[in-house]
Amino acid sequence: KQEVTQIPAALSVPEGENLVLNCSFTDSAIYNLQWFRQDPGKGLTSLLLIQSSQREQTSGRLNASLDKSSGRSTLYIAASQPGDSATYLCAVSGGNDMRFGAGTRLTVKP
Amino acid sequence: DGGITQSPKYLFRKEGQNVTLSCEQNLNHDAMYWYRQDPGQGLRLIYYSQIVNDFQKGDIAEGYSVSREKKESFPLTVTSAQKNPTAFYLCASRISGGRSGSPLHFGNGTRLTVT
Repeated sequence: KQEVTQIPAALSVPEGENLVLNCSFTDSAIYNLQWFRQDPGKGLTSLLLIQSSQREQTSGRLNASLDKSSGRSTLYIAASQPGDSATYLCAVSGGNDMRFGAGTRLTVKP
Repeated sequence: DGGITQSPKYLFRKEGQNVTLSCEQNLNHDAMYWYRQDPGQGLRLIYYSQIVNDFQKGDIAEGYSVSREKKESFPLTVTSAQKNPTAFYLCASRISGGRSGSPLHFGNGTRLTVT
């Protein structure tokens, strides 16, 4: 059974810092990996989707990488802003459903 | 605008009552999903449906039931058999399930409190 782990569980950084969030998964037979953002009490907003054949995806200040062989993905956030404060979740698709990590709660201090 | 609508946003029920959570999408997606989120935990899959009139149990289906009579709608019923129903429930959809590379889209969730 696929297991997804996100480390750290919480992270606090000063505004302007570049940061990396980590996601690891146990079964490399995935179809894609998706990064989401969740604000308190809200649903999940899709940030980036990486297909299994891709190594990375970029959107604005966000860059996500995927290394299937090692079962790892990273989400890089450049020049962090207080508005980036949220919980970030990764999810892997292995077929009929998606498996989620517990998320990293990010706080960016002004 | 296309999207997924979950209603209501907050729901309060007494223990022993069944309650139905609504999920409607106008994205023309074939696959729909129900997840449960508890504090400090990842999302756990309750049920999913890849096509109308067909659905499968996820990891934590006990005490829940669903129907998929229309492509746009995938309601979730939390029955009195669910031992710990208080949670945040999220509905999601994507173009197709199975061996699909399509992204998952989410509604804004329903917070259910049972006392």
